[in-house]
Amino acid sequence: DQQVKQNSPSLSVQEGRISILNCDYTNSMFDYFLWYKKYPAEGPTFLISISSIKDKNEDGRFTVFLNKSAKHLSLHIVPSQPGDSAVYFCAASEWGRGNQFYFGTGTSLTVIP
Amino acid sequence: GAGVSQSPSNKVTEKGKDVELRCDPISGHTALYWYRQSLGQGLEFLIYFQGNSAPDKSGLPSDRFSAERTGGSVSTLTIQRTQQEDSAVYLCASSLGDQITEAFFGQGTRLTVV
Repeated sequence: DQQVKQNSPSLSVQEGRISILNCDYTNSMFDYFLWYKKYPAEGPTFLISISSIKDKNEDGRFTVFLNKSAKHLSLHIVPSQPGDSAVYFCAASEWGRGNQFYFGTGTSLTVIP
Repeated sequence: GAGVSQSPSNKVTEKGKDVELRCDPISGHTALYWYRQSLGQGLEFLIYFQGNSAPDKSGLPSDRFSAERTGGSVSTLTIQRTQQEDSAVYLCASSLGDQITEAFFGQGTRLTVV
């Protein structure tokens, strides 16, 4: 059973506009969330994280929002750049357990120049 | 090296043969994870090593899969009697300590079973 879901397999955005990638989770015990970015033929690379004590974390052009009541998080990229074109995975885990990151199926973002 | 290294990068094997996939984690990282990504699927957890603790094998899909980590460093994932459904990209990651920090992934091994 998929505990972390990314329901949009792909997204296309014009350069300079905002990209919004969404992620839903089912396990209320999850309290730490991460976004990874993956280029073809490479392993995923860490992008940004958020713990459940926050509802927003910002790093440059990337902001992650967490809505615990809705069990929903989103990644905003503003402004989007062609180099942002990649597959984005969200992942969730329980802080302090450190054993399993549950990943979504990924959203392929294409930023159109 | 500075990052997580996996070998081979690509492996084609015949159905029924055994394969070994290798992972060299980042030096000093005590946690090591194996994941796989099948076509059109998310990353599926396989196994987790943390220091000298017993590994968490709860994600291994069958008893054909096993993994070991020698000396708290290099890990080998072994798949016996490979099946076509084992075809996937196998990703290794490592992280610091037993707290959750971001895991650093290798480039993966693409396994194709023909």
